[in-house]
Amino acid sequence: EPEVTQTPSHQVTQMGQEVILRCVPISNHLYFYWYRQILGQKVEFLVSFYNNEISEKSEIFDDQFSVERPDGSNFTLKIRSTKLEDSAMYFCASSEAGTSGSIFTTGELFFGEGSRLTVL
Amino acid sequence: DAKTTQPTSMDCAEGRAANLPCNHSTISGNEYVYWYRQIHSQGPQYIIHGLKNNETNEMASLIITEDRKSSTLILPHATLRDTAVYYCIVRGRWAGANNLFFGTGTRLTVIP
Repeated sequence: EPEVTQTPSHQVTQMGQEVILRCVPISNHLYFYWYRQILGQKVEFLVSFYNNEISEKSEIFDDQFSVERPDGSNFTLKIRSTKLEDSAMYFCASSEAGTSGSIFTTGELFFGEGSRLTVL
Repeated sequence: DAKTTQPTSMDCAEGRAANLPCNHSTISGNEYVYWYRQIHSQGPQYIIHGLKNNETNEMASLIITEDRKSSTLILPHATLRDTAVYYCIVRGRWAGANNLFFGTGTRLTVIP
């Protein structure tokens, strides 16, 4: 069964360092997402991405964050200068996208197993 | 933000049906009801979704009331591996409404 894969599974970094989290979405999916979950808290939406541009982003997704699809398979989340409060599980997800009649639609989201980021 | 209300926690005996309720009284006509679960700190797992008809798949059944203001997820024969946080989420499928917004969900504990 196709799945979303994420690397690394766990990354430890020093405050102020840049971090790149990588994701390989399901191959025929066109919509990509990043979520995060701080320990003990809710899963929070960060950003969605379609057609090589950000579709939506939350207030959390400030100038320290960026996303990129550098090639045909990877989808990355970069945090430029990590802060202690960036420590969390980061989940990548992907979904199908297409049209139903003349209406653009998206399918259900499938999530990866997450990358745990620990900022010291 | 989450547009649903769920009980904080529920217990279910192993082998029995687990019925997880959800209220979504402000759902609009073209929004779907989705259910996901999260086992420990793993990635959320898709379970099922529906618009207005009841749905069934290999994991669960989804019963949606006729007025669509509430629904119930049914795990017909709960196992210990079904212990997880279950999220009921209202979601549109068109661009701009297709993101999932997670609430706090229902923590289901399956008891041996």
